[in-house]
Amino acid sequence: EPEVTQTPSHQVTQMGQEVILRCVPISNHLYFYWYRQILGQKVEFLVSFYNNEISEKSEIFDDQFSVERPDGSNFTLKIRSTKLEDSAMYFCASGTASPQDEQFFGPGTRLTVL
Amino acid sequence: GENVEQHPSTLSVQEGDSAVIKCTYSDSASNYFPWYKQELGKGPQLIIDIRSNVGEKKDQRIAVTLNKTAKHFSLHITETQPEDSAVYFCAALRGNSGYSTLTFGKGTMLLVSP
Repeated sequence: EPEVTQTPSHQVTQMGQEVILRCVPISNHLYFYWYRQILGQKVEFLVSFYNNEISEKSEIFDDQFSVERPDGSNFTLKIRSTKLEDSAMYFCASGTASPQDEQFFGPGTRLTVL
Repeated sequence: GENVEQHPSTLSVQEGDSAVIKCTYSDSASNYFPWYKQELGKGPQLIIDIRSNVGEKKDQRIAVTLNKTAKHFSLHITETQPEDSAVYFCAALRGNSGYSTLTFGKGTMLLVSP
């Protein structure tokens, strides 16, 4: 069964460093998403991406964040200058059609900022 | 924006009992309500969803009910089994064009004892 994959599973970085979290969505999907989950808190929407551009973003997704689909398979989230409060689990998701159809989540990347 | 409240935060039941998890939402324009199950070390997986044009949906041991007037929806799991143990998230989505993002509840940890 096709699934969303994410790498790395755990990323440790120093405050101020740039990180890139990688996702490979399911191959025929058109909508792509990033969410984050701070330990013990709810899953929060960051950004959605469709047709090679951002379609929605939350107030969390500030200028420090960017997304890219550099080729036909990868979908990346970049944090330019990490802060302690960026420590969280980051989930990538993809879907075939509109956001109202099922979103398939990856296993997540745990980002720890020291 | 949308706010989703979920209760209880933890729920312990004996195998074979029923489990009910409740969510309320604030935005009357929300029209899609998925439920996700998250097992340890994995991303959320959709288990059932309901749209605002129906009041109830059932899939084997899992059912979801929606009360649009009261703005709440519930997940019902009957004949619980130990493998149902996981964290369950409700979510709401307002599907108007230009604003289609999922807002999650805080999650319910369901523990099913054999």
